[in-house]
Amino acid sequence: GQNIDQPTEMTATEGAIVQINCTYQTSGFNGLFWYQQHAGEAPTFLSYNVLDGLEEKGRFSSFLSRSKGYSYLLLKELQMKDSASYLCAVRAGGYNKLIFGAGTRLAVHP
Amino acid sequence: GAVVSQHPSRVICKSGTSVKIECRSLDFQATTMFWYRQFPKQSLMLMATSNEGSKATYEQGVEKDKFLINHASLTLSTLTVTSAHPEDSSFYICSASPPLQSVADTQYFGPGTRLTVL
Repeated sequence: GQNIDQPTEMTATEGAIVQINCTYQTSGFNGLFWYQQHAGEAPTFLSYNVLDGLEEKGRFSSFLSRSKGYSYLLLKELQMKDSASYLCAVRAGGYNKLIFGAGTRLAVHP
Repeated sequence: GAVVSQHPSRVICKSGTSVKIECRSLDFQATTMFWYRQFPKQSLMLMATSNEGSKATYEQGVEKDKFLINHASLTLSTLTVTSAHPEDSSFYICSASPPLQSVADTQYFGPGTRLTVL
């Protein structure tokens, strides 16, 4: 079966660093994506990993270990606007199909 | 970047009526479009995958006769919720995928349609 796990909720302080973990078990793997979604809005693309290692994009970094079925999204210098849901998604199967985790709701407080 | 639009953004209808939602890729040709449903505080659940000119592939548990999908062109896919009931109230999001030219190519999401069935 397909299974993607992430913590349901996290809280962090403005200016701090937070790491959101994602573990997955899927039949097939062709990349892992992280999306940000604010309430009532569509997801927006944050990062992509297909090879093991760390990808850095400004305040956001994403790490992948394929052998462990594990990824994390690292957010630095947190801002209030970073309060949102963060979705981990695995591309498995044809047609660029994505399987989404349940999402992690991050609350950033002053 | 790639833009995907959805129409309408919000719709309220009576139980038993049908509702059509349009999804358009504005600046690229989408060989594949996806339809998702999202209930409050939950993640996106894939309903179906549609490819231009062929029948949609529905995920397990999604009734194809209730959720009609038409992908008539490379820039337009429609989802029709037939005989809608209150339990169909949800946030419906489409995404579009251009022909894969890079392994990093992702899906581009529309802004979503909030459906409320009274």
